[in-house]
Amino acid sequence: DTGVSQNPRHKITKRGQNVTFRCDPISEHNRLYWYRQTLGQGPEFLTYFQNEAQLEKSRLLSDRFSAERPKGSFSTLEIQRTEQGDSAMYLCASSPRPAAETQYFGPGTRLLVL
Amino acid sequence: GNSVTQMEGPVTLSEEAFLTINCTYTATGYPSLFWYVQYPGEGLQLLLKATKADDKGSNKGFEATYRKETTSFHLEKGSVQVSDSAVYFCALSDLDGSSNTGKLIFGQGTTLQVKP
Repeated sequence: DTGVSQNPRHKITKRGQNVTFRCDPISEHNRLYWYRQTLGQGPEFLTYFQNEAQLEKSRLLSDRFSAERPKGSFSTLEIQRTEQGDSAMYLCASSPRPAAETQYFGPGTRLLVL
Repeated sequence: GNSVTQMEGPVTLSEEAFLTINCTYTATGYPSLFWYVQYPGEGLQLLLKATKADDKGSNKGFEATYRKETTSFHLEKGSVQVSDSAVYFCALSDLDGSSNTGKLIFGQGTTLQVKP
């Protein structure tokens, strides 16, 4: 396994701009999760996919956030009209089959909104 | 709702000292419990897990026992090394809980600093 990869690793943007992050899960992992981690806190769940279907979204995911997983492979997370409060580490994780529980995390994308 | 509470850090120990990081949880059903570790500049890595009451997870000298009666999953290591310095997160999975997504609910993390 090559592991979960995320791009970019760092993103600095100005308030009001749109940003998009990409996550490539471990090959053939059915489930893909997005989490957000702010400084000094544990990761918080944002959304998850089983194959290409987005099955749950947290109340943390405002209308400005959208996530996709076309063809059940890589996933993108887009934030529109970024706000300073969106500054955080965005983590992606995948797990190998529906009943599996161990999630494998990527290195994260650190977003700074100026 | 489900939640995880960890002891606050930072925890500072000398090399070869005994480590305990407390973790308690609130959950419906019978969730699995995890410890993840985050080394400086790296992503979260699974350290150990336990899937049912009285199970003991262990890895790299660390261990934790799933205690249903006290709703706890404390992390212990008998002799820490400088290389153990990291942030440790306790988490539970709701795969057997309210929503069945398998999403992880994390504690706030405990920073461990081990001095030589």
